[in-house]
Amino acid sequence: RKEVEQDPGPFNVPEGATVAFNCTYSNSASQSFFWYRQDCRKEPKLLMSVYSSGNEDGRFTAQLNRASQYISLLIRDSKLSDSATYLCVVNEARGYNKLIFGAGTRLAVHP
Amino acid sequence: GAGVSQSPSNKVTEKGKDVELRCDPISGHTALYWYRQSLGQGLEFLIYFQGNSAPDKSGLPSDRFSAERTGGSVSTLTIQRTQQEDSAVYLCASTVPWGGDEQYFGPGTRLTVT
Repeated sequence: RKEVEQDPGPFNVPEGATVAFNCTYSNSASQSFFWYRQDCRKEPKLLMSVYSSGNEDGRFTAQLNRASQYISLLIRDSKLSDSATYLCVVNEARGYNKLIFGAGTRLAVHP
Repeated sequence: GAGVSQSPSNKVTEKGKDVELRCDPISGHTALYWYRQSLGQGLEFLIYFQGNSAPDKSGLPSDRFSAERTGGSVSTLTIQRTQQEDSAVYLCASTVPWGGDEQYFGPGTRLTVT
């Protein structure tokens, strides 16, 4: 079983749609959680951290369920510029910040 | 405000040749990571450096892969006797000293082994 699993997609949605991505992780001792965004042929960049209480940043909402080892990302009012691959990332904190990356979920927003 | 830089941006090499990839982290970032990303795949951890501590080499896929970090700054990843399965994008990332969760990535080196 992969340490971090994501639906690869692609998710093809029209502008203005709401879309949700899910991710599961296998290590219950994982300490912190993130969503990174990766544009085509570019490097990953941090989108947002994920907190147990859930957190929101504009149109983006992230949630964590530690009991189920499940992380989600909700994007409201999708924009064309949201088209990218979204990477679910887990910090296993094995004496240092060892980040484990999921393979990513591809999102394509069309007009 | 320079970010992480990597060179070369693209490298095409023949099977069996050695290659050296370079990473310049953000100034003041003492933690440095190397990852590999094959087409359509997630990032695969290769090696981690933190200051003068012994590196975590647990992700290196074979003894053909090695990395060093000189003077706590620039790092080089060396792949000896390259194989076609080594073709991938090699990404370097750095973070602030201890406790920094966000990793800042360089643009990567796209390696193609023919």
